[in-house]
Parts: sequence; structure tokens; C-alpha cells
Amino acid sequence: ETGVTQTPRHLVMGMTNKKSLKCEQHLGHNAMYWYKQSAKKPLELMFVYSLEERVENNSVPSRFSPECPNSSHLFLHLHTLQPEDSALYLCASSQETGGGANVLTFGAGSRLTVL
Amino acid sequence: GQNIDQPTEMTATEGAIVQINCTYQTSGFNGLFWYQQHAGEAPTFLSYNVLDGLEEKGRFSSFLSRSKGYSYLLLKELQMKDSASYLCAVMDSNYQLIWGAGTKLIIKP
Repeated sequence: ETGVTQTPRHLVMGMTNKKSLKCEQHLGHNAMYWYKQSAKKPLELMFVYSLEERVENNSVPSRFSPECPNSSHLFLHLHTLQPEDSALYLCASSQETGGGANVLTFGAGSRLTVL
Repeated sequence: GQNIDQPTEMTATEGAIVQINCTYQTSGFNGLFWYQQHAGEAPTFLSYNVLDGLEEKGRFSSFLSRSKGYSYLLLKELQMKDSASYLCAVMDSNYQLIWGAGTKLIIKP
């Protein structure tokens, strides 16, 4: 497989459930990102990892917990979510963080619905 | 605050030309990106501008004016497959990406 792969593509969960989103990149990139995409809103950066170290956490509620076990894998653990957390969660990777032409390669996203 | 403005939705005709504008107010500037996102798919990189002027890539061109805080994406010879959302993003002085809300482009036969 090539590029950035996200699973599951769709997820429905209750507010008391615990689930995880998975992201895998086969590009040899050093940085990985979680973004939240809501309808008609700009992409919201949630977390950034560089070489498996978290370098950014944009005031995200603790009910979202990231994990980066190695430079190819990124997880987003979800628990006690709220209906307003329903959105498309996009994973992305890039060669490095920062720098000018820092092109992101995105996965197709995980569509999350919280009931 | 930092802000990116782009139209919410545009409609154009197959075979025609369309220009999608993006204006920005950011803390510093380290380049402007355009991404294309088809419904239900990953955003994909289209272009990067850091200097003023026009960059052409086949049917797509991107223009930047840093003094005006303005960019546009020009799509020529429109095809039905160009129906998608187009995302504008600016990298600020801290190398943080500031995103617009995207422009949904509808192509009609």
C-alpha cells in the first residue's frame, strides 16, 4: 500500500463508548497530524507528531487522546465523546514539520458520528 | 486574528474557465497552498506559491500577490471531474498552516 491509510472509514459510537481511529503512512515521512474537518469550517489542527514526539496539541479536549508508537502509525483514542464531536477526522503526513513547502499528504478520513 | 476568506460555493459550466479567490490576513507569510478535495476523499495538493506571480500546471494555475494578501486558483477547460472543494491555506511566520473553509465548485454540463 502507498500513501496514507485511515481506518475505519466510518464509525458510529455512543457517548459512553471507547473507540480508536488508526492512521498509517507508507511514505517515509517524519511528521504526522490529526485534523478535524466539520462542514463549512476550516480544517482544525488537533495534534502534530514529529519523529514520534508530540510537538503540538491545540487545546484539544482530553476525551481525544493521540498515540504515535512509531513514525508510520498514528492513533486517535476516543472516549466519552459529545455529539458536537461528530466530524471527519483526517490524518496527514509530511516530510518534516515547519519549513516553507511543507506539503501534506492526507488520508481519506474517518467519518465519526456520535449519538 | 488570522483569517482566510474564500467563497463558499461557485458554479461553472463544463469547458469554461473559473477563478477561485482567496484573501488572507496572517501573522507573517511563508507560502500559500491550494488543495483539492473530492467528496468523501482525501485533500490532495495542487499548488504552492511563495513568490508573487503566476504558477501554471496544466489546466490549473495559481496566482499570488503578497502585497494584497491575495491569491487565486484558475481552472481552465473545466471538466466534470473538477467538481470538488478547493482549500486555500497560508503558512504563517511560525510555519503554522491557516486554512480557509473551502470553496465548493459545482460544474454543470
